[in-house]
Amino acid sequence: NAGVMQNPRHLVRRRGQEARLRCSPMKGHSHVYWYRQLPEEGLKFMVYLQKENIIDESGMPKERFSAEFPKEGPSILRIQQVVRGDSAAYFCASSPPSAQAGEQYFGPGTRLTVT
Amino acid sequence: AQSVTQPDIHITVSEGASLELRCNYSYGATPYLFWYVQSPGQGLQLLLKYFSGDTLVQGIKGFEAEFKRSQSSFNLRKPSVHWSDAAEYFCAVGSFSGNTPLVFGKGTRLSVIA
Repeated sequence: NAGVMQNPRHLVRRRGQEARLRCSPMKGHSHVYWYRQLPEEGLKFMVYLQKENIIDESGMPKERFSAEFPKEGPSILRIQQVVRGDSAAYFCASSPPSAQAGEQYFGPGTRLTVT
Repeated sequence: AQSVTQPDIHITVSEGASLELRCNYSYGATPYLFWYVQSPGQGLQLLLKYFSGDTLVQGIKGFEAEFKRSQSSFNLRKPSVHWSDAAEYFCAVGSFSGNTPLVFGKGTRLSVIA
């Protein structure tokens, strides 16, 4: 059973460009979480999605950021008009429908660098 | 609101020495607690978790953690550290409702010297 897949692993964007980060959850997992890790910081929750639904986006900036988890295909975190402050590691985690409390499996992350 | 505090930003221990990483949490109900390890440039690997029952939990790689409700703590321990344990360690808290986000501490970076 493959783990959580994220791509790309490293992404470099110039200021003003768009960044698209992909996350394929583990097989059978229908819940996806996105977290952001700034340098020297822990992970901060951004958004929680189920297939075709955003459940909780309380951690996501109101502007420029969006997320989706379509019926088919990976979850996408999109950052429009990136700025240097968006440089961070973005982690995706997935869990099955009947997850025990907090049981989440993390991907390797996408490291975004904005130049 | 839930929060996790890891008081030590960076710890250095000698190989073979014992290790204790501190974690304190603030949570309104019964917490579900986790320790994750992150090697440089890598994702997070679950070391161990506490949901209920025995307050001393065993994890992978020889780690254990003890839940102390009275102190709101969930400290991670290892009796003898190996050089390969050098990494960043994160404590996290989750809620009773399984599918909810985790709240992480800022992490403790462990360095191991010969």
